[in-house]
Amino acid sequence: KQEVTQIPAALSVPEGENLVLNCSFTDSAIYNLQWFRQDPGKGLTSLLLIQSSQREQTSGRLNASLDKSSGRSTLYIAASQPGDSATYLCAVIHGFDGGFKTIFGAGTRLFVKA
Amino acid sequence: DTEVTQTPKHLVMGMTNKKSLKCEQHMGHRAMYWYKQKAKKPPELMFVYSYEKLSINESVPSRFSPECPNSSLLNLHLHALQPEDSALYLCASSRGTVNTGELFFGEGSRLTVL
Repeated sequence: KQEVTQIPAALSVPEGENLVLNCSFTDSAIYNLQWFRQDPGKGLTSLLLIQSSQREQTSGRLNASLDKSSGRSTLYIAASQPGDSATYLCAVIHGFDGGFKTIFGAGTRLFVKA
Repeated sequence: DTEVTQTPKHLVMGMTNKKSLKCEQHMGHRAMYWYKQKAKKPPELMFVYSYEKLSINESVPSRFSPECPNSSLLNLHLHALQPEDSALYLCASSRGTVNTGELFFGEGSRLTVL
């Protein structure tokens, strides 16, 4: 059974710091992995999608890496800003019963202090 | 345009009311999803439509009734809800096969059941 874990559950950093959010999964046979951002009471905004054949994806100050063999993905945020404060969720898409299923981690709540 | 639009943003209803949540996307996506999210928890899948046909029902109570009138619209009809159904309801869409493509979410409908 695929399980997705995000550590830490919460993180507080000063503005300007580079930081890494972690996502681990128990079954390495994934189809792809997606990182989202969610502001309080709002929907999920897609940040990056990594296909299973890829090792990393970059968008602006964000870089996501994927290591299927070790069951890990990291989201690197460079030069953090107060506007980056949000909950970050990773979601793993894997094969299930002849189809595919999306499994979400519980998220990391990030607070960037000005 | 990578937008999924949900209405209403907020809804308060009594346990005997009938109401509907609406979702619209114009990205040509053929898979559309309803998720339920409680505070500080990840989204939980409720229903998936693929090419306007119900593909997945995650054993959701019958007081929730989904409908996909066409490839751009998804409704969730609500009737005789319970206070524990209060949550953020999220609509999402993706291209291609169910649960394989990048997920795009709407801003959600915040439902309160009195």
